[in-house]
Amino acid sequence: DAGVIQSPRHEVTEMGQEVTLRCKPISGHDYLFWYRQTMMRGLELLIYFNNNVPIDDSGMPEDRFSAKMPNASFSTLKIQPSEPRDSAVYFCASSLGAGGSPNYGYTFGSGTRLTVV
Amino acid sequence: DQQVKQNSPSLSVQEGRISILNCDYTNSMFDYFLWYKKYPAEGPTFLISISSIKDKNEDGRFTVFLNKSAKHLSLHIVPSQPGDSAVYFCAASANRGNTPLVFGKGTRLSVIA
Repeated sequence: DAGVIQSPRHEVTEMGQEVTLRCKPISGHDYLFWYRQTMMRGLELLIYFNNNVPIDDSGMPEDRFSAKMPNASFSTLKIQPSEPRDSAVYFCASSLGAGGSPNYGYTFGSGTRLTVV
Repeated sequence: DQQVKQNSPSLSVQEGRISILNCDYTNSMFDYFLWYKKYPAEGPTFLISISSIKDKNEDGRFTVFLNKSAKHLSLHIVPSQPGDSAVYFCAASANRGNTPLVFGKGTRLSVIA
């Protein structure tokens, strides 16, 4: 398996534009997580899915953020409209359990570095 | 409020010596703890874990110690190698590891040759 695949790796956009981040989880993993990494807050959970169903989106900062998982092999995180304070690295992760698969936890993608100017 | 705290943003250690990274948690419901390692431009990768029924878990050069009464865990790396230079994240889960991981802010370890 190629691991968790995220695209794009880098995104630079202007304030007010729509941004869509994409994630392909590991086949067979039934949990998918979106995290955001910033210097101030570290790695914070935005939303997670179980079997394609959103379970907890309480970490989504504002209504400008939305996430979908239309099938087991694809998820998107959308920001509309984007703002400079959304600049961060966004990680997608998948696993066999909510707290991580035994002995290997979550598998993370390489992340998308988002810069909003 | 941070439920998982890594109070040292950075640590420098000489090659061959021991590296000790610390982590404190506030939520007494946490019962499964993990350490992740992250290189620049890559996602975090799983390093080692420990369940609350244990107080120590060892994997090669890496050992995690858990002190439940103090709500403290630590990662020991012996001997430290330059390739260990990375950011280390502590993470925790509750309900026998059935809740999403809560991460600390990370500690940047630099191993100096």
